[in-house]
Amino acid sequence: AQTVTQSQPEMSVQEAETVTLSCTYDTSESDYYLFWYKQPPSRQMILVIRQEAYKQQNATENRFSVNFQKAAKSFSLKISDSQLGDAAMYFCAYRSADSTGNQFYFGTGTSLTVIP
Amino acid sequence: EAQVTQNPRYLITVTGKKLTVTCSQNMNHEYMSWYRQDPGLGLRQIYYSMNVEVTDKGDVPEGYKVSRKEKRNFPLILESPSPNQTSLYFCASSLFPAEPGDEQFFGPGTRLTVL
Repeated sequence: AQTVTQSQPEMSVQEAETVTLSCTYDTSESDYYLFWYKQPPSRQMILVIRQEAYKQQNATENRFSVNFQKAAKSFSLKISDSQLGDAAMYFCAYRSADSTGNQFYFGTGTSLTVIP
Repeated sequence: EAQVTQNPRYLITVTGKKLTVTCSQNMNHEYMSWYRQDPGLGLRQIYYSMNVEVTDKGDVPEGYKVSRKEKRNFPLILESPSPNQTSLYFCASSLFPAEPGDEQFFGPGTRLTVL
């Protein structure tokens, strides 16, 4: 089974500053998908950004961008111009891209605090 | 409104008393899944289903059952709950077999406490 590791249980950032959340994964597959999900205090899981492994270009969604390093099996999330509403738990997730890729693997999460 | 609904949202029960957590989606998604979320462990997949009458075990299926008799519904059954099943449970759905990168839509979660 694939494993996803988030080594930072907690992070904090000043409002308007930039923060990077780390994620590494272990796989022998060449094609897969990676995701970052946000879970605010409401507990609702919200997709932040996704990356396809065969695409070399890093995905971006407004203030959110990723640094995808396939050889290093690293998938970090950068949040620019942090806002109070970014405070949440963030989960990194993996899914295989082949026909058997029916399981999702999540990391243990990083709790982000935004300081006013 | 496209959504995944779960019921109940909160449940306190006692050891051994059978319970069912319902999950329903209105997006005509083929793929549905159950997760449990525990502090320090993230989300772990319990069971998933790729279509009606097709279900498979995830990473932590022990103590749980599921069924997929209709496309929109995917109930989670605890035949004899135990305190170690106290957790936050999420149901999710997505298109399948479409692109695996398709987004999973999550329900609001069910907080289960087993005494």
